[in-house]
Amino acid sequence: DAKTTQPPSMDCAEGRAANLPCNHSTISGNEYVYWYRQIHSQGPQYIIHGLKNNETNEMASLIITEDRKSSTLILPHATLRDTAVYYCIVRVVNTGTASKLTFGTGTRLQVTL
Amino acid sequence: DVKVTQSSRYLVKRTGEKVFLECVQDMDHENMFWYRQDPGLGLRLIYFSYDVKMKEKGDIPEGYSVSREKKERFSLILESASTNQTSMYLCASSFVFGTQYFGPGTRLLVL
Repeated sequence: DAKTTQPPSMDCAEGRAANLPCNHSTISGNEYVYWYRQIHSQGPQYIIHGLKNNETNEMASLIITEDRKSSTLILPHATLRDTAVYYCIVRVVNTGTASKLTFGTGTRLQVTL
Repeated sequence: DVKVTQSSRYLVKRTGEKVFLECVQDMDHENMFWYRQDPGLGLRLIYFSYDVKMKEKGDIPEGYSVSREKKERFSLILESASTNQTSMYLCASSFVFGTQYFGPGTRLLVL
């Protein structure tokens, strides 16, 4: 699986949009971009994933650049409950047995009043 | 909503004890996974199972075994707990090519 690079930490004011970047310059054509987050002492929570088109769900939007070498997760109106570590993961969805998820160190997002 | 539950949130055991960690999912997922999470090391895959009674080793299977007798249940067994197995243990499940959903985690302390 391709390696990802994320900033170690970011701050965001409550009510503002949080834009979390991720670089995955060695991504292959059959690799998806997944985002998870982990609130302190809890299990990782799935947020969103995409292949090449931008995606939106009730939690967030995912913007993937045309060359697919980077992506941005957008939380449109951050709240204090969005304070967490956010992980960007690139994953092959293969035809064999299940592929594991490789979590890096992620971005620690701190939402403040 | 997908629900993955783990038998305990916190567990304290003594060195040499046999430890069972249980995971149950209610979404009829084929795949189930056990990871451990340690500061600075991220999540590491211990074992996964893609069907009942089927299992494959992950990156760090030493000192662990698993059991999957029913589709919804995946157990992680520490045959003889050691202090270096103190960690957060996370279970996940998914459809064959699908998104993995995680349980709340079990924080295990081995004294």
